[in-house]
Amino acid sequence: AQSVTQPDIHITVSEGASLELRCNYSYGATPYLFWYVQSPGQGLQLLLKYFSGDTLVQGIKGFEAEFKRSQSSFNLRKPSVHWSDAAEYFCAVLDRGSTLGRLYFGRGTQLTVWP
Amino acid sequence: NAGVTQTPKFQVLKTGQSMTLQCAQDMNHNSMYWYRQDPGMGLRLIYYSASEGTTDKGEVPNGYNVSRLNKREFSLRLESAAPSQTSVYFCASSETDYYGYTFGSGTRLTVV
Repeated sequence: AQSVTQPDIHITVSEGASLELRCNYSYGATPYLFWYVQSPGQGLQLLLKYFSGDTLVQGIKGFEAEFKRSQSSFNLRKPSVHWSDAAEYFCAVLDRGSTLGRLYFGRGTQLTVWP
Repeated sequence: NAGVTQTPKFQVLKTGQSMTLQCAQDMNHNSMYWYRQDPGMGLRLIYYSASEGTTDKGEVPNGYNVSRLNKREFSLRLESAAPSQTSVYFCASSETDYYGYTFGSGTRLTVV
């Protein structure tokens, strides 16, 4: 069955430091993978997605993610974090086996940014 | 602005009361979804609708009903609210696999 694991519930970084948020997925075929960000009191916004091709994908707000099939991972990175990046981040995998295209989400990683 | 609109944004109910959460999208998407978000649990799918006129249960459908009124609107009804239904509810829509979901801003529901 498809699933997503985000091992870190909460991460704290200093502004200007680099960031890596971990995501591991379980899926039988080539996965479609997504990262979403949720600012306080807001809905989820799509940061980036991976379908095929280049394993390093670029997203909005300076984020990137790398797909590693051998490790079943899709980690999100940013070279220099800004205070406005404080939010909750969700990794998701698409169930391509269903006609609906249903997304399965991880439990999220809360990012705190110190000034 | 195009997107997904949810109403209301906040609601407090007493145990046993009923209410309907409304969701509308103006992107001509076929698929629509209702999720609930609870601390440490991520997003869990309640119901979804692959197209107008069809609905199906997700992971946590008990205590809820839905109606896909037309292509734009997908409502979620709580017939007899329980404290366990205190949560933030998100509606989302999608067109194809390739673009992910577009989410509404959520409804924060408290059942006392």
